[in-house]
Amino acid sequence: GQNIDQPTEMTATEGAIVQINCTYQTSGFNGLFWYQQHAGEAPTFLSYNVLDGLEEKGRFSSFLSRSKGYSYLLLKELQMKDSASYLCAVRDHNTDKLIFGTGTRLQVFP
Amino acid sequence: GAVVSQHPSRVICKSGTSVKIECRSLDFQATTMFWYRQFPKQSLMLMATSNEGSKATYEQGVEKDKFLINHASLTLSTLTVTSAHPEDSSFYICSAREHPANYGYTFGSGTRLTVV
Repeated sequence: GQNIDQPTEMTATEGAIVQINCTYQTSGFNGLFWYQQHAGEAPTFLSYNVLDGLEEKGRFSSFLSRSKGYSYLLLKELQMKDSASYLCAVRDHNTDKLIFGTGTRLQVFP
Repeated sequence: GAVVSQHPSRVICKSGTSVKIECRSLDFQATTMFWYRQFPKQSLMLMATSNEGSKATYEQGVEKDKFLINHASLTLSTLTVTSAHPEDSSFYICSAREHPANYGYTFGSGTRLTVV
């Protein structure tokens, strides 16, 4: 089965850096995705990791350690518009299903 | 880029009626689509995998007779919520794999279902 955990809520200050962690236990791993979702909208793609290491894309970076079943999303220079839910999702190797974690609601304060 | 069109975006229906939600891949063929539901302040929960030309595969705990999925063509999958009840009120989202060689998934814009 799949078990994907994230902190439920986080708060941070505008301009700061925040790290959102994701731990997973899956039977067949084939990549980890991070998505941003604003209330009432569809998720939007942020990053994808399939190999260990750090992927950097502008203000957002994502890290993966397959041996530890661990990933994090790093958001730098936080802006008010970054207030949203952040979802990590793991793709199953055998079925191609994308299974989502519990999600983290991030609130950025001025 | 790839686009998945989902309709309707919002629907209100009476208890006991059925509601159909459509997802169309506009510029690519989607042999597989996934259907999710999302309750307020919760994450996306996978309901079923929709395969073109064959029966859908449902996740454990999802009633296949209540949530009918049809994937009759390579560009259209539908989810019908039958005999809807207030507890079926939720946000329903579909997604499709863009291409076997592309790791990405494209999401529809979601349907807010309210059953009164």
